[in-house]
Amino acid sequence: EDQVTQSPEALRLQEGESSSLNCSYTVSGLRGLFWYRQDPGKGPEFLFTLYSAGEEKEKERLKATLTKKESFLHITAPKPEDSATYLCAVLSSGTNAGKSTFGDGTTLTVKP
Amino acid sequence: GAVVSQHPSRVICKSGTSVKIECRSLDFQATTMFWYRQFPKQSLMLMATSNEGSKATYEQGVEKDKFLINHASLTLSTLTVTSAHPEDSSFYICSPRGDTQYFGPGTRLTVL
Repeated sequence: EDQVTQSPEALRLQEGESSSLNCSYTVSGLRGLFWYRQDPGKGPEFLFTLYSAGEEKEKERLKATLTKKESFLHITAPKPEDSATYLCAVLSSGTNAGKSTFGDGTTLTVKP
Repeated sequence: GAVVSQHPSRVICKSGTSVKIECRSLDFQATTMFWYRQFPKQSLMLMATSNEGSKATYEQGVEKDKFLINHASLTLSTLTVTSAHPEDSSFYICSPRGDTQYFGPGTRLTVL
């Protein structure tokens, strides 16, 4: 069974204090790992897709990396507007094929 | 990212009535549509998966006669909550998938 575990559950940072969010996963045949951002009362907003170990993608202050067991979302010099819940999901070719398995998310709060 | 719309964004109804939620993928064709619901401070819960022109596949514990899903075209899917009760109050989010999985902005359903 595919599993996704995100840590920490909540993270509070001062503006400008860089940090990383973790997404550990176990899947049978990874087809893709996805990162989303969700603001309260809104649907998740797509950020990145990573397909293979060693791959990295960047967007503004965010950088996502992938290994065979986990993914990190690095946030460099965060701003208050980066405050949101960040969700990680995996798509596998195993018994859960076709459905993404989501983690419970990390709620990031950036204080000015 | 892809443009996905949901209508209505918020709906309040009386217990026993039915509510229809529309989801449109505006700039790509969704071969698969997922419907999720999300309770406050919880992660996404997959309700059902549908492919265009086929019957939806429901997750365990989700009543197919209560949550009617129609995926008539590659750009439109509807979720109808029949005979809604207060416990159906939740945030419903559609998620069309083409080359990647995107999310609609969500519909807040409140059943009085």
